[in-house]
Amino acid sequence: NAGVTQTPKFRILKIGQSMTLQCTQDMNHNYMYWYRQDPGMGLKLIYYSVGAGITDKGEVPNGYNVSRSTTEDFPLRLELAAPSQTSVYFCASSSPGTGDPLHFGNGTRLTVT
Amino acid sequence: DQQVKQNSPSLSVQEGRISILNCDYTNSMFDYFLWYKKYPAEGPTFLISISSIKDKNEDGRFTVFLNKSAKHLSLHIVPSQPGDSAVYFCAASRTYNFNKFYFGSGTKLNVKP
Repeated sequence: NAGVTQTPKFRILKIGQSMTLQCTQDMNHNYMYWYRQDPGMGLKLIYYSVGAGITDKGEVPNGYNVSRSTTEDFPLRLELAAPSQTSVYFCASSSPGTGDPLHFGNGTRLTVT
Repeated sequence: DQQVKQNSPSLSVQEGRISILNCDYTNSMFDYFLWYKKYPAEGPTFLISISSIKDKNEDGRFTVFLNKSAKHLSLHIVPSQPGDSAVYFCAASRTYNFNKFYFGSGTKLNVKP
């Protein structure tokens, strides 16, 4: 059982470049999330989705876009990378209404220079 | 404005002794609290949770205490083991409102052999 899988593990981008962080889960969870963690800070919610075709903004959505075409996949798109987006990105999933906590992937470390 | 705070960035304890990690929150509407453990280069993994109808929840060596009047929770690890060395995050939300988990900045625990 793979759980939540994120790719790539590491990436270096130049300012202005674009990329997509991939996230897939095999637990049939309806809810999926993208968080970022900056050094010395807690995890901040970027976007979340409560099911295929439904997404909404979290605390820090600017500079990012998401889509949810299937239950399994929840990619995060950076259109014009900026140094402020240097961070570790975590994807998570959960099954709502059961008290089930968030299940996290292993993260993508992104550096924008 | 951080709604969940962990004011101790690090904690060092001797193997076999008790580790106490603290967490404070400001939003009185929070009624579901979790602790996560994170090793380097891995995603956070769920450790233990507590809802506001309880003031204590125990799971093996891990016990979480909730003081609603003080808006404070703590995680006790007894006895501490070197394998417990990791970063510990507390998180809070309203019950089953899985859109909005708020995380603290983490406490790095070092258990010395």
